[in-house]
Amino acid sequence: GAVVSQHPSRVICKSGTSVKIECRSLDFQATTMFWYRQFPKKSLMLMATSNEGSKATYEQGVEKDKFLINHASLTLSTLTVTSAHPEDSSFYICSARPSGNTEAFFGQGTRLTVV
Amino acid sequence: GIQVEQSPPDLILQEGANSTLRCNFSDSVNNLQWFHQNPWGQLINLFYIPSGTKQNGRLSATTVATERYSLLYISSSQTTDSGVYFCAARILTGGGNKLTFGTGTQLKVEL
Repeated sequence: GAVVSQHPSRVICKSGTSVKIECRSLDFQATTMFWYRQFPKKSLMLMATSNEGSKATYEQGVEKDKFLINHASLTLSTLTVTSAHPEDSSFYICSARPSGNTEAFFGQGTRLTVV
Repeated sequence: GIQVEQSPPDLILQEGANSTLRCNFSDSVNNLQWFHQNPWGQLINLFYIPSGTKQNGRLSATTVATERYSLLYISSSQTTDSGVYFCAARILTGGGNKLTFGTGTQLKVEL
């Protein structure tokens, strides 16, 4: 299957700082990538759809100024958590699917802890 | 939007036992996937199965699209099968490209 790589896998940051998470499709191009958030013992909730060369589409209730998404190339999308607070601590996972393929593949996830 | 429900929410098995996990979805879909989330959080693709039946080793899956459900069968379970199993669906029309995840089944396989 296709490979999606996410970095970093774990990050601890101080309140008020910003954190950038990268999502790369290693062996295919992806015009669309997806960012999910998962709370402990819960399911994955879609945060936003990242579109190459255009603005991201955010799900209802997700603050676009808090979670900045940039999809500058066909293989890279980034999620920046701005002015992080402890309630932003969570597991963030990205997803992409090759063009013409409807199966989605996921990155390894990033565990963010804000102290 | 589409609702995706899984059952049972929790399951404990003895090693060697068989089990069936169920995924119900509220709308017609063009993508149905099963995943295993390991203890580190990684989602492992098990099946891409919008319809029909597939088998991969001890695992198999069946989706009956007209009745809006999918089943994941685990035979001769092993301790390494422990973890959370998710199904995820994308609706056929009007939902964009996004996958909606089910509520998950937490599986524990004991010796």
